[in-house]
Amino acid sequence: SQKIEQNSEALNIQEGKTATLTCNYTNYSPAYLQWYRQDPGRGPVFLLLIRENEKEKRKERLKVTFDTTLKQSLFHITASQPADSATYLCAPFFDAGNMLTFGGGTRLMVKP
Amino acid sequence: KAGVTQTPRYLIKTRGQQVTLSCSPISGHRSVSWYQQTPGQGLQFLFEYFSETQRNKGNFPGRFSGRQFSNSRSEMNVSTLELGDSALYLCASSLTEGRGHNEQFFGPGTRLTVL
Repeated sequence: SQKIEQNSEALNIQEGKTATLTCNYTNYSPAYLQWYRQDPGRGPVFLLLIRENEKEKRKERLKVTFDTTLKQSLFHITASQPADSATYLCAPFFDAGNMLTFGGGTRLMVKP
Repeated sequence: KAGVTQTPRYLIKTRGQQVTLSCSPISGHRSVSWYQQTPGQGLQFLFEYFSETQRNKGNFPGRFSGRQFSNSRSEMNVSTLELGDSALYLCASSLTEGRGHNEQFFGPGTRLTVL
């Protein structure tokens, strides 16, 4: 079965630095990979989607990369701010099974 | 445009009871998906409905069921509640069928506690 791995340990960084979060998957390569942000007590909020034939996607201070050889996606937040503190979830979509599978999330803490 | 709404927001039930949760998608969205979120298992897919038909189902027992109405509103039902069903139940809507390439708009969730 597919495994989605995100660093379960919290990532603590200083304001202004670049945060890099990792999402690794096993077996099959996803057709799409989405990233979401979740704040405590709230539902996830969509951030970015990247397709399997795309290497990189950007949106303002956010950047997502997709390496199908390494079976990995990296999510970057540049010039991080305390307001970026949240849990970030990656969600690869695998055609087989028609499943959008969420990783366990990585909690990001940006300190002023 | 109003977001996805879920009712009730909080619910306390006892083992053996059943519960029905409701979800109203964003106006114009026809696809509704349900997820269960727990600290141990994370966010797990329950099922997806589109045009009143269940399109896909996750790996949950038959005690978990759902339906979608002609106005795209959806309900999920859990019968014979177990302690392990305590979780945050999230509903997400999208414009069309297919969760891979569609942005999912999540509601605030229903926090279910089973005693």
